[in-house]
Amino acid sequence: AQSVTQLGSHVSVSEGALVLLRCNYSSSVPPYLFWYVQYPNQGLQLLLKYTSAATLVKGINGFEAEFKKSETSFHLTKPSAHMSDAAEYFCAVSGTNTGNQFYFGTGTSLTVIP
Amino acid sequence: KAGVTQTPRYLIKTRGQQVTLSCSPISGHRSVSWYQQTPGQGLQFLFEYFSETQRNKGNFPGRFSGRQFSNSRSEMNVSTLELGDSALYLCASKNNGGPTYEQYFGPGTRLTVT
Repeated sequence: AQSVTQLGSHVSVSEGALVLLRCNYSSSVPPYLFWYVQYPNQGLQLLLKYTSAATLVKGINGFEAEFKKSETSFHLTKPSAHMSDAAEYFCAVSGTNTGNQFYFGTGTSLTVIP
Repeated sequence: KAGVTQTPRYLIKTRGQQVTLSCSPISGHRSVSWYQQTPGQGLQFLFEYFSETQRNKGNFPGRFSGRQFSNSRSEMNVSTLELGDSALYLCASKNNGGPTYEQYFGPGTRLTVT
């Protein structure tokens, strides 16, 4: 069984401050992990993915995430928040076999305060 | 390449009716997944089709069904609509169907049941 838990359904940061969105996973098999972003009235867009290569993954828009097996975590960070980062963020986990489905977290809404 | 398209974008139905939603994946993608997104439940997986076969199924009642055509386009059908079916329905396509390939999401169909 696989699942992800996103701690904090709402996160607020000041513009220019560090963004940290937390994701912990549970998986009985080696996982692949993903972060997606959703802007209002749009679908989800992939930010970055971990597929068992480098544990520190860099994505689009200056975001990165680090896979920590010992902590079963895959937290998303960005050094300096921008107003355009305000959106809903979803963490997802998948198994490594073809056909494994994705399991999404409940999402974290990020507010950026000017 | 054109992205994932979903039609219609908005839909209003009455309780008891049925509805069919359509999804056209990115050209060359053979995997199509459907999700239901609601404020209270987040993203919930409905089913995945790969090469016209249902490969995975979420925990939804039989009122929710889907199919995939030979050109990879997919439809999902909800019969005997209930008020609780009001949601954003998202479709996602994936290349080759493998887990390392990220899902690309469409903009969704907003279904309102009155």
